[in-house]
Amino acid sequence: AQSVTQLDSHVSVSEGTPVLLRCNYSSSYSPSLFWYVQHPNKGLQLLLKYTSAATLVKGINGFEAEFKKSETSFHLTKPSAHMSDAAEYFCVVSRIQGAQKLVFGQGTRLTINP
Amino acid sequence: NAGVTQTPKFRVLKTGQSMTLLCAQDMNHEYMYWYRQDPGMGLRLIHYSVGEGTTAKGEVPDGYNVSRLKKQNFLLGLESAAPSQTSVYFCASAAAGGLDTQYFGPGTRLTVL
Repeated sequence: AQSVTQLDSHVSVSEGTPVLLRCNYSSSYSPSLFWYVQHPNKGLQLLLKYTSAATLVKGINGFEAEFKKSETSFHLTKPSAHMSDAAEYFCVVSRIQGAQKLVFGQGTRLTINP
Repeated sequence: NAGVTQTPKFRVLKTGQSMTLLCAQDMNHEYMYWYRQDPGMGLRLIHYSVGEGTTAKGEVPDGYNVSRLKKQNFLLGLESAAPSQTSVYFCASAAAGGLDTQYFGPGTRLTVL
């Protein structure tokens, strides 16, 4: 079975400061991991995905995530927060069996303070 | 190129009523998915399709039916709506399975009274 735990339901940072959104996963085999972002009243957009090629994954809008197998973590970071980063972020693990069945974490709401 | 569209955007139903949500994609994608999103939870997979004429159950299929008669459309039906089906419903499509990116629609907010 696969599962994802996002360790913070809400993170608040000031504009220009670093962002850290934490995610731990559980998987009985090599996982595929994703981060999705959902802006208010919008659909979800893929930020980045880990596909076992490189442990440090760079995504859109300056975000990146590091896969750490020993810690079963896939934390999302950004060096400097922007007001437009305010959104809900989902860590996702996937089982690839033909179709891509995504298992979502509970989500972390990121608030940016001016 | 509209991507993934969903109709309607909002709907209010009474318990026991039926309705169909429509998802359409213009990217010629083979795979399509229906999710529901509830407060404090991530998205959960209801049903999915790996191609025209095929459907399969996801994590939470009970109370829903789907059809994929045309490649570009994926319909989600509620035969007898229940308050527990109050949720935001998202459709997604992908070119293939594996690691292909899923593209999401804007969602349908459904309230069942």
